[in-house]
Parts: sequence; structure tokens; C-alpha cells
Amino acid sequence: EIVLTQSPGTLSLSPGERATLSCRASQSVSTTYFAWYQQKPGQAPRLLIYGASTRAPGIPGRFSGSGSGTDFTLTISRLEPEDFAVYYCQQYDKSPLTFGGGTKVEIK
Amino acid sequence: VQLVQSEVEVTKPGASVKVSCRASGYTFTSYGITWVRQAPGQGLEWMGWISGDSRHTDYGPKFQGRVTMTTDTSTSTAYLDLRSLRSDDTAIYFCTRDLVDGAYHDALEIWGKGTLVIVSS
Repeated sequence: EIVLTQSPGTLSLSPGERATLSCRASQSVSTTYFAWYQQKPGQAPRLLIYGASTRAPGIPGRFSGSGSGTDFTLTISRLEPEDFAVYYCQQYDKSPLTFGGGTKVEIK
Repeated sequence: VQLVQSEVEVTKPGASVKVSCRASGYTFTSYGITWVRQAPGQGLEWMGWISGDSRHTDYGPKFQGRVTMTTDTSTSTAYLDLRSLRSDDTAIYFCTRDLVDGAYHDALEIWGKGTLVIVSS
């Protein structure tokens, strides 16, 4: 099973700042099969990025994904108030599919 | 495009639960359905996947032997059947739709609102 480790666990930032979230895999993952999700309290997750770097439909340009192999990054260029949430990475390269433990982006 | 789930299911330890997920707005048989659960205050856990035509399934090893995923194409509904329930199965169970039609495993584009399953004596 591929284990995904997200860091940091919590990121305290102010609106307008840049957020950089990391996800490290225990073995190499194809960039084709890597995704990021956002989840707000009481809501289902929302797909942000798939294929490691492709924004899902309707996702603003301030969200970007990068990385390859075992290291992947989600960047939010300028935080908007609605971006404060929990973010999960996921690999769908090898079964069982797995999620990271999440990074909470909170208002500083 | 949407996935509609029942809100709450309450059941007892040792029993079974069958969670439904009714799809609309797309060709049901063209897209796989993945089930993901989230225990209170915890992260996301992949349970398994079923193809839209129900010919293929892939269950997570943690749930093998205890889970069955099915679909009813006549009503565009997917079902998750989980047996021998324990208190730590208390969670929100989400059904999700694959991003791309015909994919084996895929990013999860469409999410139901989730069904809260409570296992309590």
C-alpha cells in the first residue's frame, strides 16, 4: 500500500499569503494518477487538481499542483477567505487507493 | 450531475447496513463509483470501487470479506453493503463518481453529501 504523508499538519496563514502544502509518497506515483481535494467543515470534499497539475473544472487559477515521483506540492498563490479548509492528497495509481492525512489551512 | 444519498442510518454492532447513492444527470453505466468514508474528526479512507456497468469491483483490503458494492442500472443507484459492523465503523460514507468515463480508477469529481452511519448498541 502506498502511504501518503502530508506536511505540515496545520498551516497558519493570513489572507493574501501564499500557501505551500506538501505530500510525500512511500513509493513512486505516476503524475497521471495524483490528485488534491479541499474539504470544508460539514461538506463533502471537492476535487481541485488531478493528474498532479491539472485544475478541475471551475477551480480558480490561484490553485496549482506540481511534483513527480514521491514528492508533490499544492500551492495556493494568494489565500482568499474561502480557501481556509482541510486539503487532502490522493494517489489513484495503485490499488488500494490512498489518501494523505490532510493539511489544515487556518487563519492566522 | 448529482449523487443523492440518504442522510442517516442507525444500526447495531454485528448488524449490516446498506447505503444507497442515486445518480442523475449523466449516463450511469459509463462512470465508476467509488466509496470513501470519514470517521468523526478523521481523514478520508478509500473503501473500494465499482464500474458503472458493475462488471468490475476493487475492494480495499481492510474491507475484503465484509463489503459488497453493487449497482442497479434500472434506477441509476449504487449500493454499499457493509456487514459485521463495529462501533469504529461509525462514519460518514460518501459515494463519488470518477472524473473520466470508462476509467478503471480515477480522480473523484462528483461527491454525494454523505450518509452518516451510526453503529451503537
